[in-house]
Amino acid sequence: DTAVSQTPKYLVTQMGNDKSIKCEQNLGHDTMYWYKQDSKKFLKIMFSYNNKELIINETVPNRFSPKSPDKAHLNLHINSLELGDSAVYFCASSQGLRSYTFGSGTRLTVV
Amino acid sequence: DAKTTQPPSMDCAEGRAANLPCNHSTISGNEYVYWYRQIHSQGPQYIIHGLKNNETNEMASLIITEDRKSSTLILPHATLRDTAVYYCIANYGGSQGNLIFGKGTKLSVKP
Repeated sequence: DTAVSQTPKYLVTQMGNDKSIKCEQNLGHDTMYWYKQDSKKFLKIMFSYNNKELIINETVPNRFSPKSPDKAHLNLHINSLELGDSAVYFCASSQGLRSYTFGSGTRLTVV
Repeated sequence: DAKTTQPPSMDCAEGRAANLPCNHSTISGNEYVYWYRQIHSQGPQYIIHGLKNNETNEMASLIITEDRKSSTLILPHATLRDTAVYYCIANYGGSQGNLIFGKGTKLSVKP
């Protein structure tokens, strides 16, 4: 069983579209995250979600909205996609900093 | 979170020890040093962490200087599969803490 699984693995879409990336963890962790890794390979945290409390990174445009139906799932919805949104998006979960477990990433390409 | 400084890249011969330095001169007394690595296209992976004592696990050893201003991650017998970007992160480690990545060190293990 994959500990943190995200789908899809690849996503190619046109500018202006709305898309979602799904993430599920089976580790029983309380906290889940979305990270963005751009073409320069810099990993930036976007959101963390702990026990229904959402912590938003102020640099993230409001076109990005995380949704957590329960503790094991954290989905990322993106409205009005732009070329600059092209990146690899990683979902992660943790129970403290030592136990971060990352998914395998979703490579989003906006054309 | 304390700022960390790492060399952008390092080379190591296969089978030799890889010693990756990290400077964290502004680390506070309750901040831990964490090491993660990201192998190409995969999500980051936890390696090891420590507060002030040296630590060892099945993956690596962590040597922290007595003044805690710097540390060294040691991979005792580097293999080609250890080629990755290695991140040193200083954080207090609480359950609500977020893992904030810097630029890391790109380690290339060569045959």
